[in-house]
Amino acid sequence: QKEVEQNSGPLSVPEGAIASLNCTYSDRGSQSFFWYRQYSGKSPELIMFIYSNGDKEDGRFTAQLNKASQYVSLLIRDSQPSDSATYLCAVNGGAGGGNKLTFGTGTQLKVEL
Amino acid sequence: EAGVVQSPRYKIIEKKQPVAFWCNPISGHNTLYWYLQNLGQGPELLIRYENEEAVDDSQLPKDRFSAERLKGVDSTLKIQPAELGDSAVYLCASSLVAAPYNEQFFGPGTRLTVL
Repeated sequence: QKEVEQNSGPLSVPEGAIASLNCTYSDRGSQSFFWYRQYSGKSPELIMFIYSNGDKEDGRFTAQLNKASQYVSLLIRDSQPSDSATYLCAVNGGAGGGNKLTFGTGTQLKVEL
Repeated sequence: EAGVVQSPRYKIIEKKQPVAFWCNPISGHNTLYWYLQNLGQGPELLIRYENEEAVDDSQLPKDRFSAERLKGVDSTLKIQPAELGDSAVYLCASSLVAAPYNEQFFGPGTRLTVL
């Protein structure tokens, strides 16, 4: 079982729709959770982080965390073509301790006109 | 505020040759990371520094890879000799303190091609 799992996609949504990206993790001791956006040929860019159960909203983005289910998600409202990218889920803390991020393989999002 | 700086951005070498990558973290960030990213995969940690000390190098292939951060600021990652399988993007990241809630910020990466 991979430590951080994501559906590789591609996930296609029409412009203006809500995109829902999901991530599960295996280490129950994980403490914080990050979503990075990565455009093709570019480096990962931090867009959200969350460490408490529930929802955290920032503009069009909402991160949701459920530690009991070991599940974290990212919702993108009013999706735009510029949101087309790969979204990487990353998990920090846990058994390894320290500030080690474990990444999933990413979900490719395509927002279609 | 300037971001993480890396150089070179691209490097093409023949197998068995040495190669070095340089990283300058965000000013004031005492924790520095080197990651490797293969196509279609997420970044994988190679080594983490807190100031000058390498506190996690468990994933660094020490037979051919080495790294240093002599003054606790910029860092160099070296491969000698390079192998075909080393072709990947090498990412440097930094964070303010080594704690689970602190965000890591990535540099633009160095794309290495080994022929």
